[in-house]
Amino acid sequence: DTEVTQTPKHLVMGMTNKKSLKCEQHMGHRAMYWYKQKAKKPPELMFVYSYEKLSINESVPSRFSPECPNSSLLNLHLHALQPEDSALYLCASSPSPGQVTDTQYFGPGTRLTVL
Amino acid sequence: QKEVEQNSGPLSVPEGAIASLNCTYSDRGSQSFFWYRQYSGKSPELIMFIYSNGDKEDGRFTAQLNKASQYVSLLIRDSQPSDSATYLCAVRYNTDKLIFGTGTRLQVFP
Repeated sequence: DTEVTQTPKHLVMGMTNKKSLKCEQHMGHRAMYWYKQKAKKPPELMFVYSYEKLSINESVPSRFSPECPNSSLLNLHLHALQPEDSALYLCASSPSPGQVTDTQYFGPGTRLTVL
Repeated sequence: QKEVEQNSGPLSVPEGAIASLNCTYSDRGSQSFFWYRQYSGKSPELIMFIYSNGDKEDGRFTAQLNKASQYVSLLIRDSQPSDSATYLCAVRYNTDKLIFGTGTRLQVFP
């Protein structure tokens, strides 16, 4: 298995809903990432888990809550989102965090719409 | 403030030509450099990575790195209409964080 998978592909939620995004990889990668991407902008880093520990939190609002249950799985829990949070949410993984040669591979993304 | 700069384009080239995409970065401590291709509505796909000064070739793609000039480029030979996409340059410093440029939109016309 050589890919990062994300579910769901699309999600529409109201501002009072609670939902979760899921990301999975079975490549033995030791770092996993959440990015947010708005239209015509580059991906914007949200969180990094390195060896299952949260290593980077880019001052993301608390309505986004990451969770890394194990080395293959990464969740993003969503609560009380705002319409401006509508975006493509990308998960990535990399094999060797901290190494010069480390390379990130992206999943297909979840298109989130907040009404 | 670490920055990565790209010309937003669009860069228009005819089919069969060489497309040249450029990227500059601000921090001399940069270690690793990446080019991702992103089709509209899709996720970024890794095209090339380079760590050392010089050229690195993979099929129709060549990445060039000049650390003294803080410059990295991507050449696409024999450009095809299917190469039409946004190309994102990304730079990593000494953490696991990638800094992305704003991307260059490439259009290859038949």
